Amino acid sequence: EAGVAQSPRYKIIEKRQSVAFWCNPISGHATLYWYQQILGQGPKLLIQFQNNGVVDDSQLPKDRFSAERLKGVDSTLKIQPAKLEDSAVYLCASTTNEAGRGYGYTFGSGTRLTVV
Amino acid sequence: DQQVKQNSPSLSVQEGRISILNCDYTNSMFDYFLWYKKYPAEGPTFLISISSIKDKNEDGRFTVFLNKSAKHLSLHIVPSQPGDSAVYFCAASWNSGGSNYKLTFGKGTLLTVNP
Repeated sequence: EAGVAQSPRYKIIEKRQSVAFWCNPISGHATLYWYQQILGQGPKLLIQFQNNGVVDDSQLPKDRFSAERLKGVDSTLKIQPAKLEDSAVYLCASTTNEAGRGYGYTFGSGTRLTVV
Repeated sequence: DQQVKQNSPSLSVQEGRISILNCDYTNSMFDYFLWYKKYPAEGPTFLISISSIKDKNEDGRFTVFLNKSAKHLSLHIVPSQPGDSAVYFCAASWNSGGSNYKLTFGKGTLLTVNP
C-alpha cells in the first residue's frame, strides 16, 4: 500500500510570508492529523480530521494557521503570516480509528519549514 | 504539561549489546503505549506497542515492558544493531471520545549503536 505523501519536502520562507503544505493520506484512512515537530521536541498535534470534519483543533494557532480537508481525502495546512518560531517539521499522519489506538498512525516524511 | 517524558536525550551502545530506552508518564487514562522510530529526513514509523492491561510485549529483537504502578515503560533491543541507530519516541494513546483516539509523544531519545 502506498504511504502518506507530503509535499514539498523542504521550504524556506521569510517571516510574514505565507506557506502551504499538502498531504495525501493512505487510501481508506478516515482520520488525518497534522503534527508540528520542533527540533529536539516530540511531535505535537495541531489538528485532527475525521473524514472532512474537524475533530480537534484546540492546539492550532488559529490566528495564523488554517487547515482543510476537502472531500475527506487530501489536506492542506497553511500558515499566514509565518513567524520565526514556526520553523519545524510538519508531519501528516493517517489512520483508521481502531488501528490508531494500538498500532499508531502512519506518518508521511514531513515538510521541513525554515522561516528566516 | 509533558505527560510523556523521555529523560535521556541520547544513548550510545555497542553492537550486540542490549539497548534500554526509558519512558515515564503521568496520565492514568492512557490505554496503549507505543514506540516509534525515526530516521533523519523521514517520518516516525511505528515499532511496537503494549496495552495498559499487559506488562510485556515482544516482537523479535524488541520487547516493551510496562510497570503501571511506577507509570514507567521501557523498550529493550537485543541484540542492538547499527541499523537501529535512530531517534526513538515513546507515545501514549487515550480515548478522547467515541472511537476517537489520540497520541501524545515524548521528546525522543537518540540511540547510537556503534559497530
